[in-house]
Amino acid sequence: QKEVEQNSGPLSVPEGAIASLNCTYSDRGSQSFFWYRQYSGKSPELIMFIYSNGDKEDGRFTAQLNKASQYVSLLIRDSQPSDSATYLCAVTWNNDMRFGAGTRLTVKP
Amino acid sequence: GAVVSQHPSRVICKSGTSVKIECRSLDFQATTMFWYRQFPKQSLMLMATSNEGSKATYEQGVEKDKFLINHASLTLSTLTVTSAHPEDSSFYICSARDRRGYGYTFGSGTRLTVV
Repeated sequence: QKEVEQNSGPLSVPEGAIASLNCTYSDRGSQSFFWYRQYSGKSPELIMFIYSNGDKEDGRFTAQLNKASQYVSLLIRDSQPSDSATYLCAVTWNNDMRFGAGTRLTVKP
Repeated sequence: GAVVSQHPSRVICKSGTSVKIECRSLDFQATTMFWYRQFPKQSLMLMATSNEGSKATYEQGVEKDKFLINHASLTLSTLTVTSAHPEDSSFYICSARDRRGYGYTFGSGTRLTVV
């Protein structure tokens, strides 16, 4: 069973702090890794994707991938209240995309 | 950017009736469409994967006769919930993979309520 694991939270950080979200996956054959943000009642929206080991930065967001440890993370710098949402880690195997349970993040003003 | 149009966004139906949900890729060709279901405060659960022109592959525990998926063209996939029951009430979301292999784009979701 291919699994994607996330800490469900809730994770609460003060405004301006760094939020760190973590995800592990079970299959070493996993190819691509995505972070989505989902607001209640809405469809997920893509934040970042990463394919290679290391860090990838986009604005306030940094994705980190360590294939040896089967671990992918998302850092959100200068967190804003508007970042409050559920963050979904997604992993692809061949043609399938599977999601973790999501981490609920609350950024307090 | 890639856009997937999903409709209806919200539907209420009576128990025992069927509901069709459509997902259409507007500006790209989707070789693969994914259908997910999400219950409140839970993650997206993959129901099935459909490739254009072939039968859908269903995840374990998903009844293929109840959730009919058709992917007749590179831009359209449909999910029909047959003989719907209240326990089928959920948020259904499609996702399309660009034929060029660039990323996955989600539809806006369909909130199904069976009464």
